Amino acid sequence: DTEVTQTPKHLVMGMTNKKSLKCEQHMGHRAMYWYKQKAKKPPELMFVYSYEKLSINESVPSRFSPECPNSSLLNLHLHALQPEDSALYLCASSQEGTAISYEQYFGPGTRLTVT
Amino acid sequence: KNQVEQSPQSLIILEGKNCTLQCNYTVSPFSNLRWYKQDTGRGPVSLTIMTFSENTKSNGRYTATLDADTKQSSLHITASQLSDSASYICVVCMFSGGYNKLIFGAGTRLAVHP
Repeated sequence: DTEVTQTPKHLVMGMTNKKSLKCEQHMGHRAMYWYKQKAKKPPELMFVYSYEKLSINESVPSRFSPECPNSSLLNLHLHALQPEDSALYLCASSQEGTAISYEQYFGPGTRLTVT
Repeated sequence: KNQVEQSPQSLIILEGKNCTLQCNYTVSPFSNLRWYKQDTGRGPVSLTIMTFSENTKSNGRYTATLDADTKQSSLHITASQLSDSASYICVVCMFSGGYNKLIFGAGTRLAVHP
């Protein structure tokens, strides 16, 4: 099974709402990633978790709060977002974050619209 | 500055024809180079991964080349199909801060017409 699943597929939320994005993998991978992708732009790294610990935060605003409850799950908690946060949010995983050649497997993404 | 540049930005070809996409990079230290295919609204799917010692790698109708000296790569698609319509993203991996960091190109949007 080389699948990374993400829920929901689509999410529309107001600027005062609190919502969460979920990501799951059962490949035994120990590194998980959140990316943000705007239309016609490449993905931008947001967070990296390695062995369930946050190892990289690419200066992401605090209205985005990641959580890694266990080695298979990764959440992204959203609060007080802005319309410019509307984007495709991609989750990815790899065997480890440190090994040079480990492949990153991407999920299908959650299309987020902030109104 | 670590950058990955791709050309052309977009390309239209007829079904059955071949095409070649280009990628130039200025990433250091270099770990490997990857080509991904991304359908609209979906996550990227890996096509090939090449280290600096590999010159070419194939995956079905996709063949990637790498010239580590000139820091150039290409992706050749043979006998294109309608399902090849997608964005093709060149990604260079660098080992930084104790983990693999991916530097993404802006992608080439390929449209295959019947």
